[in-house]
Amino acid sequence: GEDVEQSLFLSVREGDSSVINCTYTDSSSTYLYWYKQEPGAGLQLLTYIFSNMDMKQDQRLTVLLNKKDKHLSLRIADTQTGDSAIYFCAETLNTGGFKTIFGAGTRLFVKA
Amino acid sequence: DSGVTQTPKHLITATGQRVTLRCSPRSGDLSVYWYQQSLDQGLQFLIQYYNGEERAKGNILERFSAQQFPDLHSELNLSSLELGDSALYFCASSAPGSGELFFGEGSRLTVL
Repeated sequence: GEDVEQSLFLSVREGDSSVINCTYTDSSSTYLYWYKQEPGAGLQLLTYIFSNMDMKQDQRLTVLLNKKDKHLSLRIADTQTGDSAIYFCAETLNTGGFKTIFGAGTRLFVKA
Repeated sequence: DSGVTQTPKHLITATGQRVTLRCSPRSGDLSVYWYQQSLDQGLQFLIQYYNGEERAKGNILERFSAQQFPDLHSELNLSSLELGDSALYFCASSAPGSGELFFGEGSRLTVL
């Protein structure tokens, strides 16, 4: 089946690390993505990880993938108020075309 | 600016009516995707087109239809509108062979 689940809310203090978790069900996923949506805007790609990788680091962002448990996480180091947004986990399935399934999104609140 | 253009940005209409949402993909992108974002359902994949042909289908109602034209722009037609169709409709495009999606700013539909 195709399902991506993530918690709906996360609140952290400015300067702390944020960890947003996601689980997916389809083991044939080729890529897993994190998108960010700021108020009144469309989604923008933050980072992605190929399904044969365990970890990817990109400046303040660290993505961890546990394929066995079908668990993906996004860690944001030194979280800033500008990081307040909705973060979507997504998996892309190659079904002849690329079909991308999104989670419901985690709303991150950063308190100053 | 993602390069994906959606019109109109806002639309208010009555139940039973029909509307058309338009999307112009990024230059060079052959794939167009439509998503519906509502508070209770999250981001739902509706349909994907690749170079004019339907490639993947998601949770798209029979009252909804889409097409991609030879110039690669796409239209999403929503008919017999119901209150529950009120949502933000996003279009996204991707380059050939890439799963990364570039989203437009969305069309907000309100059905009264």
